[in-house]
Amino acid sequence: DAGVTQSPTHLIKTRGQQVTLRCSPKSGHDTVSWYQQALGQGPQFIFQYYEEEERQRGNFPDRFSGHQFPNYSSELNVNALLLGDSALYLCASSEGTGGRETQYFGPGTRLLVL
Amino acid sequence: GQSLEQPSEVTAVEGAIVQINCTYQTSGFYGLSWYQQHDGGAPTFLSYNALDGLEETGRFSSFLSRSDSYGYLLLQELQMKDSASYFCAVWRGNTPLVFGKGTRLSVIA
Repeated sequence: DAGVTQSPTHLIKTRGQQVTLRCSPKSGHDTVSWYQQALGQGPQFIFQYYEEEERQRGNFPDRFSGHQFPNYSSELNVNALLLGDSALYLCASSEGTGGRETQYFGPGTRLLVL
Repeated sequence: GQSLEQPSEVTAVEGAIVQINCTYQTSGFYGLSWYQQHDGGAPTFLSYNALDGLEETGRFSSFLSRSDSYGYLLLQELQMKDSASYFCAVWRGNTPLVFGKGTRLSVIA
């Protein structure tokens, strides 16, 4: 049973560009959350998708948007990239009505903005 | 605002016991969880406390006091592989929304 997968693993972009990151949740999971983790910091919650709708959102600008597909996979889009967007982007999946222990993180996508 | 405070670094000897503390200030608190993250890896869920008291899972235990807005992670019989960063996180509903900055644990021989 594959866990949470993310692609790509690494990405280099320049300021002003746009990027799309992808996440496939663990089998049986229907909820996907995205986090940004800067070097030496804890993850910061970006948003959560459930039933193809954004259910919760953290304190991130509108440049950060997302989507969830009928198969529960999800994309994170970031427009007009800034140097400060360089970070590890983590996806976590869980069951919508499951217990706390059902949340699993993917390996992350490391984004570098030059 | 919301914030969590935890020590930035802790060093302990192999075989010993170490406690990592976490204090939080937040509204809408549901519970506190702990994660382990090795360098270059993804966070791994360790424990979740919604009620006051101690939760034990093998060598790892986690404690919560809601009245004191305080929790801790206790690691026993430390092994070299326990060297990692440990994060506490506050939950709202079914989502960990706020993470601490992490405590880097170094286990030495």
